[in-house]
Amino acid sequence: GEDVEQSLFLSVREGDSSVINCTYTDSSSTYLYWYKQEPGAGLQLLTYIFSNMDMKQDQRLTVLLNKKDKHLSLRIADTQTGDSAIYFCAESRTGGSYIPTFGRGTSLIVHP
Amino acid sequence: DAGVIQSPRHEVTEMGQEVTLRCKPISGHDYLFWYRQTMMRGLELLIYFNNNVPIDDSGMPEDRFSAKMPNASFSTLKIQPSEPRDSAVYFCASSFPGRAIDEQFFGPGTRLTVL
Repeated sequence: GEDVEQSLFLSVREGDSSVINCTYTDSSSTYLYWYKQEPGAGLQLLTYIFSNMDMKQDQRLTVLLNKKDKHLSLRIADTQTGDSAIYFCAESRTGGSYIPTFGRGTSLIVHP
Repeated sequence: DAGVIQSPRHEVTEMGQEVTLRCKPISGHDYLFWYRQTMMRGLELLIYFNNNVPIDDSGMPEDRFSAKMPNASFSTLKIQPSEPRDSAVYFCASSFPGRAIDEQFFGPGTRLTVL
């Protein structure tokens, strides 16, 4: 099976919260990332969390990490149409020397 | 820095033709990656280089695919001969191992259509 799994689609109404989920298999994962891909563009790092953290908040973004269940989530508060994009979960083992493994991406569709 | 530069942005070719995709990584980045993105398979790592040396090409689908990095500022991905199933968006990315995290910087991609 895949090392990093995500659901493929999520549809939300503008102004609601979005929660994108991800599971991974490598218990040695040190860093977990969320990348965002806007239409017609490459991926861009959105946020990341170290494995010794449970939560990280950055403005409208909240990342939750459950190491026991190997579950990562990204919550976007007050979702806007500009948040419509593909969101990729990724994990890596050590800083700078281990290649990140990406999930297949979750397409977030925000409708009015 | 201008970021990772890829050319062309769009390529339409006919089956059997040779296709060459180009990438200029961010100056100072030691790692370079080639990815392919399709609806069916998502984002696939094809090959990556460290200091211009290919490290892992296990993701290259067939012998029709080849990649080179003749110097630190240039890499190519070649498909010869091309087939319709090669149609995809190809991304180049680079990273700098001196950073605390393994952030990859992606180019805008080349959308390849093989007719």
